[in-house]
Amino acid sequence: DAKTTQPTSMDCAEGRAANLPCNHSTISGNEYVYWYRQIHSQGPQYIIHGLKNNETNEMASLIITEDRKSSTLILPHATLRDTAVYYCIVSRTGANNLFFGTGTRLTVIP
Amino acid sequence: NAGVMQNPRHLVRRRGQEARLRCSPMKGHSHVYWYRQLPEEGLKFMVYLQKENIIDESGMPKERFSAEFPKEGPSILRIQQVVRGDSAAYFCASSLTTGFSYEQYFGPGTRLTVT
Repeated sequence: DAKTTQPTSMDCAEGRAANLPCNHSTISGNEYVYWYRQIHSQGPQYIIHGLKNNETNEMASLIITEDRKSSTLILPHATLRDTAVYYCIVSRTGANNLFFGTGTRLTVIP
Repeated sequence: NAGVMQNPRHLVRRRGQEARLRCSPMKGHSHVYWYRQLPEEGLKFMVYLQKENIIDESGMPKERFSAEFPKEGPSILRIQQVVRGDSAAYFCASSLTTGFSYEQYFGPGTRLTVT
């Protein structure tokens, strides 16, 4: 599975959009981009995933560049409850497991 | 629809004892995954099971650790003769399928402390 690179930490003001970048320059054609988050001491929570088209759900939007070498997770109106570690994961179809790196620690500031 | 359930949530064992961690997947899910998270680190895959079968145990330590997912009942992660280095949070996840893109749903974890 391709490796991902994320900033270690980010801050975001409450109510503003949080844009979390992820580089995955070695991604293969059959690999999806997944985003999970882990709020302190809880199990990871699935957010969104995509292959090459931009995706949106009730939690977030996922923007994948045309060459698929990077992506951005967008939380449109960050709240204090969005403070968490966000993991960008690249995984091929049918993979047995997810590789969680160190993620980005997002702190939403009042 | 109940989520993934794990018990116990906290487990304290003395060195040399056995630890049994239980995971009940979401209703209708037949794929179970176990991950371990050491303090300040990301989750590390341990094992992937389907009913009555271990599919991938590439992340499991070779000794003392075993996992099962019987036809009836929860999945069990068993750690024999625990050592201090086994202290960690153990998370279970389940999924509906692995054939196509899928998401894993995680339980709240079991925090194992070895004294």
